[in-house]
Amino acid sequence: GEDVEQSLFLSVREGDSSVINCTYTDSSSTYLYWYKQEPGAGLQLLTYIFSNMDMKQDQRLTVLLNKKDKHLSLRIADTQTGDSAIYFCAESGGSASKIIFGSGTRLSIRP
Amino acid sequence: DAGITQSPRHKVTETGTPVTLRCHQTENHRYMYWYRQDPGHGLRLIHYSYGVKDTDKGEVSDGYSVSRSKTEDFLLTLESATSSQTSVYFCAISEGQKRGRPYGYTFGSGTRLTVV
Repeated sequence: GEDVEQSLFLSVREGDSSVINCTYTDSSSTYLYWYKQEPGAGLQLLTYIFSNMDMKQDQRLTVLLNKKDKHLSLRIADTQTGDSAIYFCAESGGSASKIIFGSGTRLSIRP
Repeated sequence: DAGITQSPRHKVTETGTPVTLRCHQTENHRYMYWYRQDPGHGLRLIHYSYGVKDTDKGEVSDGYSVSRSKTEDFLLTLESATSSQTSVYFCAISEGQKRGRPYGYTFGSGTRLTVV
């Protein structure tokens, strides 16, 4: 079945780059997403990539997609304390209008 | 988030009692979803709706029912609450899949439910 996997925790030093990785199983996914959840809040769409793209850049965010290996990554350049959050990888899982979420990666920032 | 509200924000209830959570949207979106979020499990889909009176089960639907009598409201009911249903519940809305563009969800702020 459809599945999205990501590591649970990542700790980086302030100012360094953060790279959050994700693997998915559904090769028919049209879009892949990154959502951000700050404490006590719902998820917010951070960025997305269309499945026929390899890379998408948006200011400090870079999304890389390796469709052959079904691997998605999110790179945050110059990580700041405000980037502390849980980041969810997600895919449009084939069936119409349902998104499958990973378990989330909690990003913590060290001074 | 603008356009979607959940109520209540917090609730404590006793085992065996019925509980109803409400999701209200002003975006006129066709699709509405209920998720629960638990540590280590991420978001798991409980039920979703693709139109008025049209609903379907998600991966963790046991013990839950839903109703959608109007486009703007999607209700989640725990018929007889159990401690395993202690969780944070999120509602989400979507326009649905349209050719050529993504259909990312908009999430509510969540309801923290504690069953004692």
